[in-house]
Amino acid sequence: EDQVTQSPEALRLQEGESSSLNCSYTVSGLRGLFWYRQDPGKGPEFLFTLYSAGEEKEKERLKATLTKKESFLHITAPKPEDSATYLCAVLLNTGGFKTIFGAGTRLFVKA
Amino acid sequence: DTGVSQDPRHKITKRGQNVTFRCDPISEHNRLYWYRQTLGQGPEFLTYFQNEAQLEKSRLLSDRFSAERPKGSFSTLEIQRTEQGDSAMYLCASSPPAHNNNEQFFGPGTRLTVL
Repeated sequence: EDQVTQSPEALRLQEGESSSLNCSYTVSGLRGLFWYRQDPGKGPEFLFTLYSAGEEKEKERLKATLTKKESFLHITAPKPEDSATYLCAVLLNTGGFKTIFGAGTRLFVKA
Repeated sequence: DTGVSQDPRHKITKRGQNVTFRCDPISEHNRLYWYRQTLGQGPEFLTYFQNEAQLEKSRLLSDRFSAERPKGSFSTLEIQRTEQGDSAMYLCASSPPAHNNNEQFFGPGTRLTVL
């Protein structure tokens, strides 16, 4: 069964304390992996797409990396405004466009 | 604003009633998705349209759920005979037609509460 697992479920950081979020996947075929940010009561906001192992993308304090079995979202020197839920999603390579999301990591950054 | 819009933003209904939600994608996005999200979980895929054709449908989409995209622009999601378990956030997303550009842009969602 296709599955996407994110860890940890929740992460509390002090402002400036760098860390990483993990997304591991077991799927029949991967066409692409996405990272989204979601604030309470809002729809997910697109951050990155990764297509192949070894690929890296950066945006401000965030950096996403991809291997054959997992992806990491590295947060460097986080600020309180980075507090949100970070979702990982896999676009399956089944000829269609079915996307499977993980449950997310809730990040809290304290000033 | 050229983002994905959804209407209504909130809907409270009684068990057994029918409800319909609308999604307006970003213009020129030919791909449209519906998801359901419950508290503490990621979005669950419900269905996918390319233009007006419904190409994929999750097993989660029981016979009480139906989605349409009649002219390849806006889409509607209808839930018949609502149950308390249908309470969730219903999200719509759209993607452009460009090859390998599979980013999905989400709307703000419709929060459904079934009493």
